[in-house]
Amino acid sequence: QVTLRESGPALVKPTQTLTLTCTFSGFSLSTRGMCVSWIRQPPGKALEWLALIDWDDDKYYNTSLKTRLTISKDTSKTQVVLSMTNMDPVDTAIYYCARMVRGFLFDVWGKGTTVTVSS
Amino acid sequence: NFLLTQPHSVSESPGKTVTISCTGSSGSIASNYVQWYQQRPGSAPTTVIYEDSQRPSGVPDRFSGSIDSSSNSASLTISGLKTEDEADYYCQSYDSSNLWVFGGGTRLTVL
Repeated sequence: QVTLRESGPALVKPTQTLTLTCTFSGFSLSTRGMCVSWIRQPPGKALEWLALIDWDDDKYYNTSLKTRLTISKDTSKTQVVLSMTNMDPVDTAIYYCARMVRGFLFDVWGKGTTVTVSS
Repeated sequence: NFLLTQPHSVSESPGKTVTISCTGSSGSIASNYVQWYQQRPGSAPTTVIYEDSQRPSGVPDRFSGSIDSSSNSASLTISGLKTEDEADYYCQSYDSSNLWVFGGGTRLTVL
């Protein structure tokens, strides 16, 4: 069974750096074709794709947020970490991690973690 | 920027059929697969259609997807509407410049 779970701070201050961890099981990020992505959803708004890391350690970023984002995976390959710098109240959202397969399908999602940016 | 445009909301009665559109802003929507996700309040999205028209196991055949190249649009059709279908629906595809893109979402109300 494939599962993903997001963890991180619920509250960050403006200008701080947000670090989120996605812990997954049921698949290996070393397997060709496997990818893990981060997607966020501000309150009452649409989903927004943020970043993706693949089995070969290639990384892809939302062009609008590229300068603020860093995605990485740990050596055991069961965690993916997303860092976002210079947080602003507009970054308040639910942050999801999801597995992507076949290059286009987010087939399994975590439950999401709510991040509020406020002083 | 490549955009996928959806109607903000649609509503229909139980037992009826509803179609939600997803229009690509540029290029050919047929060039890359379109997926559809259902998101119920307070829950993460789940896939109802992938590869334009394929249903994951467990998704009822009341859900179907299609592509219309002439209008550069994808559509999600739900027949025999049930109150449990009430949710937000998002289309998603890929663009070489913007990578993975989601539509703005459509709120389906089953009256």
